[in-house]
Amino acid sequence: SQQGEEDPQALSIQEGENATMNCSYKTSINNLQWYRQNSGRGLVHLILIRSNEREKHSGRLRVTLDTSKKSSSLLITASRAADTASYFCARNFGNEKLTFGTGTRLTIIP
Amino acid sequence: DVKVTQSSRYLVKRTGEKVFLECVQDMDHENMFWYRQDPGLGLRLIYFSYDVKMKEKGDIPEGYSVSREKKERFSLILESASTNQTSMYLCASSLSGVSEAFFGQGTRLTVV
Repeated sequence: SQQGEEDPQALSIQEGENATMNCSYKTSINNLQWYRQNSGRGLVHLILIRSNEREKHSGRLRVTLDTSKKSSSLLITASRAADTASYFCARNFGNEKLTFGTGTRLTIIP
Repeated sequence: DVKVTQSSRYLVKRTGEKVFLECVQDMDHENMFWYRQDPGLGLRLIYFSYDVKMKEKGDIPEGYSVSREKKERFSLILESASTNQTSMYLCASSLSGVSEAFFGQGTRLTVV
């Protein structure tokens, strides 16, 4: 499958700690995007990183991309209870499609 | 404020019924998508459209069809609903394949 893997499937951390989740893919990408989904709702876009970029920041979010390893990671620093959600990466392979994975369920423990 | 609106938040239909899920976007986006989301399986692409009257099959098109008569509206059709189509359906739009997607709030469909 072109999707690759996301890990971990679930992650529980204490409030204030950092959370890291990973996304891998199998064929070359044009860009990779991260989304958040609060329980039972639609997805909200967080960050887009292009294949020629290595790192991007947005507030407490940091995304890295390693094209040699075909992997990306999302780091959330100083986590808050409101960060509890599912996080998905979406791979764009240079066409009009966005291919999502199974996501990481993040729980922040107050 | 950009918006993707799905016609229903919750829907209950009977097996064999023809079901229409409607999605409207107000951003003049070229691309529109229909995904279904099931526990443990993530989001799977059913169909997408990159222009009016154009459509392409996604990864799981069987049992579904779509219609895009106007740029802002993308409809998902279940010709004869079955219980294995019980799922959360998510509509999205994007300006292009290399830009972010905007999602609707989702339609939770139950087929009984």
